[in-house]
Amino acid sequence: EDKVVQSPLSLVVHEGDTVTLNCSYEVTNFRSLLWYKQEKKAPTFLFMLTSSGIEKKSGRLSSILDKKELFSILNITATQTGDSAVYLCAALDGGSNYKLTFGKGTLLTVNP
Amino acid sequence: NAGVTQTPKFRVLKTGQSMTLLCAQDMNHEYMYWYRQDPGMGLRLIHYSVGEGTTAKGEVPDGYNVSRLKKQNFLLGLESAAPSQTSVYFCASSYVTGGVEETQYFGPGTRLLVL
Repeated sequence: EDKVVQSPLSLVVHEGDTVTLNCSYEVTNFRSLLWYKQEKKAPTFLFMLTSSGIEKKSGRLSSILDKKELFSILNITATQTGDSAVYLCAALDGGSNYKLTFGKGTLLTVNP
Repeated sequence: NAGVTQTPKFRVLKTGQSMTLLCAQDMNHEYMYWYRQDPGMGLRLIHYSVGEGTTAKGEVPDGYNVSRLKKQNFLLGLESAAPSQTSVYFCASSYVTGGVEETQYFGPGTRLLVL
């Protein structure tokens, strides 16, 4: 059974801090690792990582995948209160049905 | 381009009632998914479809049925609602092309309360 585990489950930081969110996975036919940000409503897509060791960046957010150790990290530098959200990690099964298995998420709270 | 839309946004049901949630996408995506999200449980896959006329069970399919009669629509049915089905339901769709990255686009969610 596919499994995705995120840590920590929750995190409280002050504006300006740098945070690292962790995601480990066990997926039979692993294809990609995805990160989403969820505020009040639907998840919004952040990154998709398919290749090991290649960092993806978008502004203050960056992410990298390690396919040997089966984990990914999401970094947020110079955090802002608007970064407060649940960050979801999901592993994409590249078998015939392309299913996503989600972790339970990390609740990030950024205080001013 | 509306993306993924869901109807209704919110619904209250009594135990034993039935209802259908509608998901529509205008991106010509082949794959569509229904998830439920509960506190502390993350997103869990209920059913999915890899194309018009096809459906398959996900992680938590019991108590739900789905249909994909048209490519753009994916319906989730509850035949006899139970309080355990109180949740937020998200629909998603995705495209798959060989060698090209794909992702899932989510609808805004439907909040369902079963009394």
